[in-house]
Amino acid sequence: AQSVTQLDSQVPVFEEAPVELRCNYSSSVSVYLFWYVQYPNQGLQLLLKYLSGSTLVKGINGFEAEFNKSQTSFHLRKPSVHISDTAEYFCAVRRNNNAGNMLTFGGGTRLMVKP
Amino acid sequence: NAGVTQTPKFQVLKTGQSMTLQCAQDMNHEYMSWYRQDPGMGLRLIHYSVGAGITDQGEVPNGYNVSRSTTEDFPLRLLSAAPSQTSVYFCASSPTSGSRNEQFFGPGTRLTVL
Repeated sequence: AQSVTQLDSQVPVFEEAPVELRCNYSSSVSVYLFWYVQYPNQGLQLLLKYLSGSTLVKGINGFEAEFNKSQTSFHLRKPSVHISDTAEYFCAVRRNNNAGNMLTFGGGTRLMVKP
Repeated sequence: NAGVTQTPKFQVLKTGQSMTLQCAQDMNHEYMSWYRQDPGMGLRLIHYSVGAGITDQGEVPNGYNVSRSTTEDFPLRLLSAAPSQTSVYFCASSPTSGSRNEQFFGPGTRLTVL
């Protein structure tokens, strides 16, 4: 079984400031890692994913995340946020044994960008 | 392509009523799934399907039924609605059941059970 913990339920930040949204996971097997974004009243959209290779992954809208296997973390970062980044962000993991496609989600972090 | 579509967008039910949430995708994806989203709990998998005629239970299947008679459609049935089923429901699809695949989500159905 696997689990995902997003350490902050809400993160308020001023426009143009940097932000980090934290994600830790636990799993008995190797996993693939994902970040999804949900804008108000919309479905989820993939921001980025880590499958293999470089531990620094770049996604859409200037976001990036770093996979740290020893700390079982996959924190999401952006050097300068915009008002339009206000949304809820979900970290998710999936076992990489290709036996299924079950995503396990964290509880979400609401990013609130203030002018 | 319309992607993943869900109907209705909003629904209010009384306890004990039944209804079907519709989900369709036009991307010829093999894998489809239903999640419910509750505050602070992220999304939890209800049921999933790896192809037409094949369905399986996810993390929270009780009170829900699914069927997959075609590749395109994956309806979710609430047999006897309960207030605990008040939630936002998302349908998702991906090309195959492979773990590397991105899942594409529909816009959601907001369900309230009184």
